[in-house]
Amino acid sequence: QVHLQQSGPGLVKPSQTLSLTCAISGDSVSSNTVTWNWIRQSPSSGLEWLGRTYYISTWSVDYVESLKGRIIVVADRSKNQFSLQLKSVTPEDTAVYYCARVAGGIFHSWGQGTRVTVSS
Amino acid sequence: ETLMTQSPVTLSVSPGERVTLSCRASQGVLRDLVWYQQKPGQAPRLLIYDASTRATGIPARFSGSGSGTEFTLTISSLQSEDFALYHCQQYNTWPWTFGQGTKVEVK
Repeated sequence: QVHLQQSGPGLVKPSQTLSLTCAISGDSVSSNTVTWNWIRQSPSSGLEWLGRTYYISTWSVDYVESLKGRIIVVADRSKNQFSLQLKSVTPEDTAVYYCARVAGGIFHSWGQGTRVTVSS
Repeated sequence: ETLMTQSPVTLSVSPGERVTLSCRASQGVLRDLVWYQQKPGQAPRLLIYDASTRATGIPARFSGSGSGTEFTLTISSLQSEDFALYHCQQYNTWPWTFGQGTKVEVK
């Protein structure tokens, strides 16, 4: 059974970088049959897919158009985890952030969620 | 981008009632549609995929139907543990997109 454990701060100051990590157990971040994703949820926006990384001979990433230039998703094979960095945050980035394992477009496994508040 | 619209936003029901939630796609997604259940303070949980296939461990009172642009999640007899937020998501067209959710609350 796959388990995803999120870690990272719950409070980030405006203009700084939000950094979260998702540790994987029960699967490999290098698996070529799944993708590793970040999603966020706010009361006003519902569930919003943010980005993903995956390995098929080489590492690839995809990002939601609205965050390109601010978002980085990267995998760490040595630690079997992946991370999210969101730069230059504003209060509009306040949300609950989730990591998730996706196969065939279906979000099978989710992390526990991290409530991130952007405030000075 | 495929826009997913769920209705109603909130549904007030009593235990034992039959519940029907709707999800509409802005363009056809075949049967590439998933339903998730989310309880307060928890991550979403996979309920149904391929529009009508229940995920492992999901009770038979949950059923999904539809194809193309119109989808339905039905709970045949609502139990106390079913009061939650329900999301639909399409995986036919990149990027995957979610609906805004329907909250099923106690009447």
